[in-house]
Amino acid sequence: QKEVEQDPGPLSVPEGAIVSLNCTYSNSAFQYFMWYRQYSRKGPELLMYTYSSGNKEDGRFTAQVDKASKYISLFIRDSQPSDSATYLCAMTLNRDDKIIFGKGTRLHILP
Amino acid sequence: NAGVTQTPKFQVLKTGQSMTLQCAQDMNHNSMYWYRQDPGMGLRLIYYSASEGTTDKGEVPNGYNVSRLNKREFSLRLESAAPSQTSVYFCASKQINQPQHFGDGTRLSIL
Repeated sequence: QKEVEQDPGPLSVPEGAIVSLNCTYSNSAFQYFMWYRQYSRKGPELLMYTYSSGNKEDGRFTAQVDKASKYISLFIRDSQPSDSATYLCAMTLNRDDKIIFGKGTRLHILP
Repeated sequence: NAGVTQTPKFQVLKTGQSMTLQCAQDMNHNSMYWYRQDPGMGLRLIYYSASEGTTDKGEVPNGYNVSRLNKREFSLRLESAAPSQTSVYFCASKQINQPQHFGDGTRLSIL
């Protein structure tokens, strides 16, 4: 079983829709969860950083962690063409441990 | 504030040639990392340096060497390049208890 699984997509949705991106993981010891956004030919850019279970909201973005189900989600409200990118989930046991990345989901927002 | 700067942005090598990829950060971060990103494989850790003067192997260290030149700079060397090392290489840095910040990558092709 892979440590982190993420559907590669591509996922195409119309502008203005709510987008849901997800990852599952196998190691129940993970405590810190991240979402990175990566535009074409650019490096990953940190979008959301959460600890343990629960929700965190930042503007149009909401990160959700369900540790009991070993499942994390990123929701994007009122999606824009500028949200078109690859989204990488990532997680770690503690703040200074090595990060385990998902392989990324390619998202296309259609104008 | 430049963040994490990688040079060069693009490079083409012949099999057997050597090459050093440079990374510098201006955020006074303690830890620095080298990853490679390949289609379908996600981000894989090559080497990391938890602090100035220390380096450790990551998931895929074979064929690479690193040098933590000072707190700002962390270089990755390919002594004898192989076609399997064709990839996009990312450098990242972080401060204690904070997430990683990435550069924009070096695209390396080995013929």
